[in-house]
Amino acid sequence: DTGVSQDPRHKITKRGQNVTFRCDPISEHNRLYWYRQTLGQGPEFLTYFQNEAQLEKSRLLSDRFSAERPKGSFSTLEIQRTEQGDSAMYLCASSSLGYRGVSEQYFGPGTRLTVT
Amino acid sequence: QQQVKQSPQSLIVQKGGIPIINCAYENTAFDYFPWYQQFPGKGPALLIAIRPDVSEKKEGRFTISFNKSAKQFSLHIMDSQPGDSATYFCAASIEGGSEKLVFGKGTKLTVNP
Repeated sequence: DTGVSQDPRHKITKRGQNVTFRCDPISEHNRLYWYRQTLGQGPEFLTYFQNEAQLEKSRLLSDRFSAERPKGSFSTLEIQRTEQGDSAMYLCASSSLGYRGVSEQYFGPGTRLTVT
Repeated sequence: QQQVKQSPQSLIVQKGGIPIINCAYENTAFDYFPWYQQFPGKGPALLIAIRPDVSEKKEGRFTISFNKSAKQFSLHIMDSQPGDSATYFCAASIEGGSEKLVFGKGTKLTVNP
């Protein structure tokens, strides 16, 4: 069991550049979530996939953000025209529907984004 | 509007003490309440979770107490150790649908030797 993995772990970019993050969920998990965590705060929900379908997006997810999960496996989160306010830890979590009657979410190590 | 309120913001105890972290929620539709532990630079790790059909759940040194009428739940750490020093988050979700987690703001726990 390799757990949830995320790549890269750290990303420094200049304002206005585009960035893309990748998440590989636990292999048998059909649900995948993206959260954002700023310093001193709890994670905030961004979006979620069940298999390859993106079923919910938060109002936090502006038009500059897009997420995909082709073939229901790994997922990517792209931020276009980054702003300094995008600096945060981007966390991915996966879960398996119906396991012990509840969907337990397991998080990856996160990608720390710094926009300069 | 903060749906899950967590307190205290920080907590310092001596080794062997029993830190208690409290959370209160507003949305009565919440029916799953996990606690996560996070070390610096790491992702949150699921610690223990409870559903509202029970008032208490124990796993090892960790206990959740749940008060449905008061819409409150708390985490107790028995015989705390310096290795328990971390930030703890309570969360809540609604089964069915996305089951997205709504987190509290976290409690930074320090256990002194």
